[in-house]
Amino acid sequence: EAAVTQSPRNKVTVTGGNVTLSCRQTNSHNYMYWYRQDTGHGLRLIHYSYGAGNLQIGDVPDGYKATRTTQEDFFLLLELASPSQTSLYFCASSAGLGAETLYFGSGTRLTVL
Amino acid sequence: GDSVTQTEGLVTLTKGLPVMLNCTYQTTYSPFLFWYVQHLNEAPKLLLKSSTDNKRTEHQGFYATLHKSSSSFHLQKSSVQLSDSALYFCALRGSGNTRKLIFGLGTTLQVQP
Repeated sequence: EAAVTQSPRNKVTVTGGNVTLSCRQTNSHNYMYWYRQDTGHGLRLIHYSYGAGNLQIGDVPDGYKATRTTQEDFFLLLELASPSQTSLYFCASSAGLGAETLYFGSGTRLTVL
Repeated sequence: GDSVTQTEGLVTLTKGLPVMLNCTYQTTYSPFLFWYVQHLNEAPKLLLKSSTDNKRTEHQGFYATLHKSSSSFHLQKSSVQLSDSALYFCALRGSGNTRKLIFGLGTTLQVQP
């Protein structure tokens, strides 16, 4: 079973704060993703990457940066957090695109006050 | 553009009864559909997937058949259990080069004793 580990599990910050969410996968998957999950919106893709140094824009990228430092590690950065970014964030990985299974981490619950 | 529709936000059933969760899609590409399940406070996990028209695919007692003629991929189970209570997402492989997954809003299944 593919392993995707996220940290922290919970995070509280204030408006304008700087937040970094971390994700590590240990299955040599090429693709990694950041999603946010909100009631009434389902899972929405923020950014994704197909390898170290690569970044692709997702469907809701505004207010977020991301960086893939190694094949294992993918970070999501909120440099000026806003209350609208209060959400449950999931990292996921897959071997490829399209038909490949996504393996999700356990999620990070972010609250922006 | 590509889209996925799940018409029910909440389905409540008594243990032992059959269930069908609806999923319809729109795409200009050859459809590849997925069902993911997310139990409370857990990560979403793949339940089943298919790209073959009119072929039933099964996993853990759940089954679904992709019907291209009606653009549907409904999830079914003949007898639900308490442990089936969860959030179920239908997802579609998107068109074009990226082939990102497009998720529906999700259906919460509540199974009562």
